[in-house]
Amino acid sequence: EAGVAQSPRYKIIEKRQSVAFWCNPISGHATLYWYQQILGQGPKLLIQFQNNGVVDDSQLPKDRFSAERLKGVDSTLKIQPAKLEDSAVYLCASSDHLVNEKLFFGSGTQLSVL
Amino acid sequence: DAKTTQPTSMDCAEGRAANLPCNHSTISGNEYVYWYRQIHSQGPQYIIHGLKNNETNEMASLIITEDRKSSTLILPHATLRDTAVYYCIVRVANTNAGKSTFGDGTTLTVKP
Repeated sequence: EAGVAQSPRYKIIEKRQSVAFWCNPISGHATLYWYQQILGQGPKLLIQFQNNGVVDDSQLPKDRFSAERLKGVDSTLKIQPAKLEDSAVYLCASSDHLVNEKLFFGSGTQLSVL
Repeated sequence: DAKTTQPTSMDCAEGRAANLPCNHSTISGNEYVYWYRQIHSQGPQYIIHGLKNNETNEMASLIITEDRKSSTLILPHATLRDTAVYYCIVRVANTNAGKSTFGDGTTLTVKP
């Protein structure tokens, strides 16, 4: 079974530039999550989708971050414009059901903002 | 969800059992204990979960105290590949899994 795919693996940008991350969840998984993980800390949920609808985006900085999952399958997370404090690993996870405790994570995209 | 407390770091000798503690003294009756681990440069991986009975699977065992205020994740024969950050999470089952809050976890280093 293929896992959660994320790209790119690494990204380096300058502040005020924009960046986008892509995630393809496990086939058939209806729930998709984006997490931000700052070095030395645990992952923090940014946004959660159920199919193509947003379940929770309460911790998403909406002035600069946006995410979409138009066809209920793959998803993109965008930052525009980036700030220095956005340097982190961005993790995508999926599960087959909203209440399933088993989350499957991708390897993440490491973003460095200079 | 109840708050958890874990040691920042632990060492374990290869081949020995690794016992990772987690304190969750404010846990409520309908909250489960979940464990994930995160190997360097990878995303977190689900390990095991339980309510009040001890649980075992192919990866680990979970021992929950009778008062449910603490638990221990046991890796029976630790290998170098078990070196990772281990997260203990408490949350109500059959609710939105996205509400799981990851703390800073315990960094386990398995040494040869």
